[in-house]
Amino acid sequence: NAGVTQTPKFQVLKTGQSMTLQCAQDMNHNSMYWYRQDPGMGLRLIYYSASEGTTDKGEVPNGYNVSRLNKREFSLRLESAAPSQTSVYFCASSEPKTRQGPNIQYFGAGTRLSVL
Amino acid sequence: QQPVQSPQAVILREGEDAVINCSSSKALYSVHWYRQKHGEAPVFLMILLKGGEQKGHEKISASFNEKKQQSSLYLTASQLSYSGTYFCGTAPAGGTSYGKLTFGQGTILTVHP
Repeated sequence: NAGVTQTPKFQVLKTGQSMTLQCAQDMNHNSMYWYRQDPGMGLRLIYYSASEGTTDKGEVPNGYNVSRLNKREFSLRLESAAPSQTSVYFCASSEPKTRQGPNIQYFGAGTRLSVL
Repeated sequence: QQPVQSPQAVILREGEDAVINCSSSKALYSVHWYRQKHGEAPVFLMILLKGGEQKGHEKISASFNEKKQQSSLYLTASQLSYSGTYFCGTAPAGGTSYGKLTFGQGTILTVHP
């Protein structure tokens, strides 16, 4: 049971390049999330998907797009990378029981992205 | 708005105790606590749902004061394995957050032999 799998683990981009971060979960969870983690800032939500076919903006969505390909997969795309997007990116999934119910989030190992 | 954690960092010797606090400016439905080891993913520790509720995990426990919009994480008789960054994640009362959490900035805990 792999849980949440993220690829790639490391990536270096030049300013203006594009790339897609992949995330897949095998826990049959409905909800999936993308966070970025910067020193001293904690985890900030970029986008989330409450269920297959829906996505919504989080706290810091500018410069990113997402696709909920199916129930398992949730990808994050940087169309034109900027140095400010240098960060560690985490994908997470959960199965909230109700609209505001307990919501344990399970995280992937992260993608370390540097934009030069 | 992010919940505020205090202190930002704690240094302990093995066997000492520590308290990490998490305060929100919004009314809360739940508070989650996670621990992240260096270079790894955050791992869930516990969730608190009701005012005054306490939970425990090994020698780690937590409380949630719904009225004060605060939660505290208690680490007793600390072990080397407790080292890491601790995050609180909050879900607001009311509304339709549908599982979204807002995380604090983290507290770095270092335990020395």
